[in-house]
Amino acid sequence: AQSVSQHNHHVILSEAASLELGCNYSYGGTVNLFWYVQYPGQHLQLLLKYFSGDPLVKGIKGFEAEFIKSKFSFNLRKPSVQWSDTAEYFCAVNAQNGNKLVFGAGTILRVKS
Amino acid sequence: DVKVTQSSRYLVKRTGEKVFLECVQDMDHENMFWYRQDPGLGLRLIYFSYDVKMKEKGDIPEGYSVSREKKERFSLILESASTNQTSMYLCASSFPLYGYTFGSGTRLTVV
Repeated sequence: AQSVSQHNHHVILSEAASLELGCNYSYGGTVNLFWYVQYPGQHLQLLLKYFSGDPLVKGIKGFEAEFIKSKFSFNLRKPSVQWSDTAEYFCAVNAQNGNKLVFGAGTILRVKS
Repeated sequence: DVKVTQSSRYLVKRTGEKVFLECVQDMDHENMFWYRQDPGLGLRLIYFSYDVKMKEKGDIPEGYSVSREKKERFSLILESASTNQTSMYLCASSFPLYGYTFGSGTRLTVV
């Protein structure tokens, strides 16, 4: 069965600090990878996705993620966070031949202004 | 843009009641999903459906059932609500290579 592990449940950063949120998955086959964000009181939104091709994926709002197949990782990065990035971030995986999307437990990011 | 609409934003129900959560999508997606979201546990899949009248159990189906009579509508049913089913429920739909679109969620409290 697939599983997704997010390394930190809570992260607190000051504005302009760099961000990296870890995500590892366990699945031996070919996967699609996603990062979703949930701002306070809002619904889940897609930040970025990886299906194939260039392993460095750029998403909305200056976020990017790198797929490292050998490490089963898909870490999310942003060079300089803003107060408005305060949210919960979810990594998710599905097998390319499957329908189910499996989520990590989420990382709550708080950015101090 | 795909829209996934969940009929209620907040619900309060009593223990033992039968509860229906409704979800409608407007883009003819074949796949629809019900998740529950709990702090520290992320989103856990309850049931999904890949076609009308077709359903498959997710990771935590106990105490739930689903109904998909029409392609655009996917209902989650709590047969006899219990306090441990107090949670945020999220519906999603998907199309291959497009990704998943989520509704705004229904926060259910069972008292």
